[in-house]
Amino acid sequence: SQQGEEDPQALSIQEGENATMNCSYKTSINNLQWYRQNSGRGLVHLILIRSNEREKHSGRLRVTLDTSKKSSSLLITASRAADTASYFCATEGANDYKLSFGAGTTVTVRA
Amino acid sequence: DGGITQSPKYLFRKEGQNVTLSCEQNLNHDAMYWYRQDPGQGLRLIYYSQIVNDFQKGDIAEGYSVSREKKESFPLTVTSAQKNPTAFYLCASRSRPGILFFGSGTQLSVL
Repeated sequence: SQQGEEDPQALSIQEGENATMNCSYKTSINNLQWYRQNSGRGLVHLILIRSNEREKHSGRLRVTLDTSKKSSSLLITASRAADTASYFCATEGANDYKLSFGAGTTVTVRA
Repeated sequence: DGGITQSPKYLFRKEGQNVTLSCEQNLNHDAMYWYRQDPGQGLRLIYYSQIVNDFQKGDIAEGYSVSREKKESFPLTVTSAQKNPTAFYLCASRSRPGILFFGSGTQLSVL
């Protein structure tokens, strides 16, 4: 079952602008992760935020987690053409070792 | 070079044929996973294995089989019972903190 749902499905921005995408999920989690996928390739891990954390930064990435609303957001600041990709949130359930992925947000950064 | 190796990159299946997708890892991870990705969609879990000689069904296991005889290897067989096998198949292994490392995928098509 797909636990997470990303919003929006697609996003087109100008180079230098910020990109924000959201993820909602349904059940209790151990952690929430964001992954990136370039077309036709495997996924690459970006950042992990635990259920007891509210915000995390990694380079130009900022992730927030609101467990009361069962939602997370990923912000990419000062976007570059190389950021063009699909971004997926994934949740690890409280009682298992499975990661459930959403359908992803496709981000296009225009030069 | 450490990582996950999937082969082949492209695979074609004839009707009634079983085909096997290879996945090898040299990261010394205990857990390994197979996901299926359809165009424009997220990842759906087929099978996962937390330890050698043990594996569990994911959300869409029907028509697929796996084995885990060695820690490094987790092959997936797409059987003739899988009536709609055309998809992008991704293998991953899991590190201790719960992060997934993905291979580059196998695109399976039906002739």
